[in-house]
Formats: sequence, C-alpha cells, structure tokens
Amino acid sequence: GIQVEQSPPDLILQEGANSTLRCNFSDSVNNLQWFHQNPWGQLINLFYIPSGTKQNGRLSATTVATERYSLLYISSSQTTDSGVYFCARRKAAGNKLTFGGGTRVLVKP
Amino acid sequence: NAGVTQTPKFQVLKTGQSMTLQCAQDMNHEYMSWYRQDPGMGLRLIHYSVGAGITDQGEVPNGYNVSRSTTEDFPLRLLSAAPSQTSVYFCASKEQGNTEAFFGQGTRLTVV
Repeated sequence: GIQVEQSPPDLILQEGANSTLRCNFSDSVNNLQWFHQNPWGQLINLFYIPSGTKQNGRLSATTVATERYSLLYISSSQTTDSGVYFCARRKAAGNKLTFGGGTRVLVKP
Repeated sequence: NAGVTQTPKFQVLKTGQSMTLQCAQDMNHEYMSWYRQDPGMGLRLIHYSVGAGITDQGEVPNGYNVSRSTTEDFPLRLLSAAPSQTSVYFCASKEQGNTEAFFGQGTRLTVV
C-alpha cells in the first residue's frame, strides 16, 4: 500500500534552535499537507503544499513531488512549537488522506 | 464560520453500548470523513463521503456505520462498542478538488 514515512520520530530542541522534519512517500502525490497536533490534541493546518515552497512566519515547507519527499523547517524554535507534526498525502480524487507516523517535537526552554 | 464541529469532546462507554459521534461543518464542503487516532500513531480513515447520500469505506471501517443525509452533517455510529474502539476520533471536511482538509477538535472515546 501507499506509505508515508516521517523522520526523525522524536526530536528534542533547545529553544531558539532550527530543525528540519522530513516526509517521504512511496507513491505520486497530488496534494500534501502538514499538521501540528498540539499538546491538547488539536490538529492545526500548517501547510497545504503539493509542490514548491511556502513560508508562514518561522515555519516553511518544501515539497519535491518528483522525488517524493517534503520537508518542514522550524526556525528559532519556541516552546509552543512542541507537539507532534504530521504529514499526510492524498491522491487526486476523494478525501483519503494517508498520514505518516508523526515526528514528536519537544522544545525545551 | 465555526468550521468543523464535533460533539461530544469526551465519552465513556461500556462494552456493547451504542452511540453516535456527531460532526457538522458550515463551509458547504462536499467531502467529509472520519479518522481514528490511536496512541503514538497517525490518523487512519474509517469512512468517508463525497456528497449527500454517498458514503464509502476507508481503511478501518469494521464496527462503524455512517450516513450522509445532508451536506452539513456526517454522524459516525458505533452499534456495539468494543474496547478496541477506544481512540480519538477526528472528523474532516474539504471542498471538491485538490484542496486542503480541515479537521474538527476530536472526540476522545473510552470503551470499558
């Protein structure tokens, strides 16, 4: 089946550090999303990024669809960045998102 | 817009009980879906709908029923709850086409 793999599984950062999270997918992707699940369990949309690069404040994401990966960059990390980051991809039709296993991020003050 | 609203937020059931998780969206989205999230894992698709009157199974449909009588609502029914259904349930909606999905706040269900 279609695989979505995220790395690393866990990440501990000192406040102010930068980091890169990776999402690899085994099949072609027509759209890809990044989510942040905060400590209260809420899923927050970060990026909808089937290809190219987008930036939103300290966060940015790049998807290279031809090479089947996406990267999420966190710069100048803050404690509020803690939580689990998920990437999810969907084929062209329908609403079937396939999620990766997530990267659990802990930012220490 | 309230977005995607799920009720209840928390629920405890006894094995064998039935209940309905509610999901409503006010964005006039055609697509709606239900996912479950087990500890330490990503979300897995239970059922989805591409429009009123149309539903289909996802990756883990056993033990769950859905219906879509209106565009706005997509309830998930557990007919006879089992401890294996202890999970956090998320409802999502999106517009037709290659657009982003929006998720509700989740329902934390415990079956004892």
